[in-house]
Amino acid sequence: DAGVIQSPRHEVTEMGQEVTLRCKPISGHNSLFWYRQTMMRGLELLIYFNNNVPIDDSGMPEDRFSAKMPNASFSTLKIQPSEPRDSAVYFCASSAPEGDQVAQHFGDGTRLSIL
Amino acid sequence: GNSVTQMEGPVTLSEEAFLTINCTYTATGYPSLFWYVQYPGEGLQLLLKATKADDKGSNKGFEATYRKETTSFHLEKGSVQVSDSAVYFCAPPFWIKGNRGSTLGRLYFGRGTQLTVWP
Repeated sequence: DAGVIQSPRHEVTEMGQEVTLRCKPISGHNSLFWYRQTMMRGLELLIYFNNNVPIDDSGMPEDRFSAKMPNASFSTLKIQPSEPRDSAVYFCASSAPEGDQVAQHFGDGTRLSIL
Repeated sequence: GNSVTQMEGPVTLSEEAFLTINCTYTATGYPSLFWYVQYPGEGLQLLLKATKADDKGSNKGFEATYRKETTSFHLEKGSVQVSDSAVYFCAPPFWIKGNRGSTLGRLYFGRGTQLTVWP
């Protein structure tokens, strides 16, 4: 079975540009998570969707960040405008309905560098 | 409130040494507990889990026992290998209400513990 698929794997862009990260969760999973990982802060939860609806977006740093989940098989995380401090590895994860004891499956991440 | 305390790294060991990474948590009720591992350049992978008190999770030579009385879930391995070098995350779930009145679990991850094993 295919795991969580993220694209692109690497993104390098200049500050001020719009950045869009993409995620395809595992088929059948109804929860989707976006995380950001840095050396300083570790792994931070940005936003959490359940059945395509945002449940908890308290981790979204500011209005420059937005996330959507238009259907059960696709989600985007957008940064506009991007800033150098947004440089990090961004992970998407998905999990099955509650009966699976909430174990999450992670993608390989997008390494974002803002110059 | 909910919280997790995980041993800070980095941890550096020689091959075949014994490993313990401590993890204690506070949470409502007695949820399932998880250890995740992140190898260089990759996402997190589920290493092992325990679903109830006194349960022992095990995988790849790693073990962790769910101790309800001490609210701990320490990770151990009797003989580490160079290939075990990675970041390890203890992840207890926290419960929140879903949009249909259901109770949903989300995991809390911190910085993790960096393990480096030298040959």
